[in-house]
Amino acid sequence: GAGVSQSPSNKVTEKGKDVELRCDPISGHTALYWYRQSLGQGLEFLIYFQGNSAPDKSGLPSDRFSAERTGGSVSTLTIQRTQQEDSAVYLCASSLRPTTTGAQYFGPGTRLLVL
Amino acid sequence: AQTVTQSQPEMSVQEAETVTLSCTYDTSESDYYLFWYKQPPSRQMILVIRQEAYKQQNATENRFSVNFQKAAKSFSLKISDSQLGDAAMYFCAYNTGTASKLTFGTGTRLQVTL
Repeated sequence: GAGVSQSPSNKVTEKGKDVELRCDPISGHTALYWYRQSLGQGLEFLIYFQGNSAPDKSGLPSDRFSAERTGGSVSTLTIQRTQQEDSAVYLCASSLRPTTTGAQYFGPGTRLLVL
Repeated sequence: AQTVTQSQPEMSVQEAETVTLSCTYDTSESDYYLFWYKQPPSRQMILVIRQEAYKQQNATENRFSVNFQKAAKSFSLKISDSQLGDAAMYFCAYNTGTASKLTFGTGTRLQVTL
């Protein structure tokens, strides 16, 4: 079956512009996660969606970051007024259920470069 | 704070040999799960193996096995009969009964030589 897909694969933008990153989870997976992987900070949790519950936004680094998940499936991570420190690989993962018995399966990531 | 420590930034192993990657973690939770993920240059994080903390038996997946020492909070990965395709970054990670998000270590880069 199809895995987690993310688009675009790579994104180059200018400082101050807004960007949208998309994640399509594995069909039937109710939990969806966003992580950021950068040289200085390693792998960081950003946000977590589970069904219709309010998302866990505790990892979002600033109010320039937001995410939504429509129809319990596709998710979009939006970064407004991008800064150079936002340059990183953004990884999306999904799991069958949110409990810890469900391993998370990752997409190939979006590499974001802010000039 | 809950942390995961991988003390080996880089490791090297010859093809067909065995290598062990180290991981320690710190948590006050009693219910948690441990994972090893592999990240090749393609960037895709691939689940290698997982261990439930309540299980005493060490997990095994083909050439990959773990040595889980709960009291020592240690979770090492052993790769047997190493292959060129095993070359990648390996991340140790865990989550708990109260938080589904994964907490990752800093990774170990594994090089496989002929």
